[in-house]
Amino acid sequence: DQQVKQNSPSLSVQEGRISILNCDYTNSMFDYFLWYKKYPAEGPTFLISISSIKDKNEDGRFTVFLNKSAKHLSLHIVPSQPGDSAVYFCAAFTSGTYKYIFGTGTRLKVLA
Amino acid sequence: KAGVTQTPRYLIKTRGQQVTLSCSPISGHRSVSWYQQTPGQGLQFLFEYFSETQRNKGNFPGRFSGRQFSNSRSEMNVSTLELGDSALYLCASSPGDRGGVKNIQYFGAGTRLSVL
Repeated sequence: DQQVKQNSPSLSVQEGRISILNCDYTNSMFDYFLWYKKYPAEGPTFLISISSIKDKNEDGRFTVFLNKSAKHLSLHIVPSQPGDSAVYFCAAFTSGTYKYIFGTGTRLKVLA
Repeated sequence: KAGVTQTPRYLIKTRGQQVTLSCSPISGHRSVSWYQQTPGQGLQFLFEYFSETQRNKGNFPGRFSGRQFSNSRSEMNVSTLELGDSALYLCASSPGDRGGVKNIQYFGAGTRLSVL
């Protein structure tokens, strides 16, 4: 039972354009959502998060949007840079259980 | 502050053997979680330890076990290795007792296990 889904395994975007990565979830008990970025041969690094009581959080070029009614969140990267090429994982967290659930990841390739 | 340290970085074992992986969390973090990453499967949660007790568990067979020591360092053991256990094993640490963004997990670089 995959509670957090990233349906696009890969995405290619031109440098300077917007990258949109999507994530769907099924459990209404999640109260925080996070995005991690992973380069080859490194562990995932935290990128940005959003509380379930918010609908948008912005940090520089990165913005996360949350649509609770659709159980959907997205990560927008504007403008995309070649250094953004990595695998992006969406994660959901439940404060009551301290449990994280990760998606399967989306490989982003930003073309120069 | 030192990050999460995993040892060894690479490991080659044969089927039927057993293996122990080690994880040293960020100083002050009491929660350590273990994940298995394989192509197309994302990060599969194995288990989480908090203050030396297993607090959460994923859906892996009993061949996968772990423990946490009083200094919060954690070990993961896989017995009777199978070819399908070849993967990147990641550990992540967090404070473990705070809500939301204050409990962000920080990952180590992982241990790449190859089973021949």
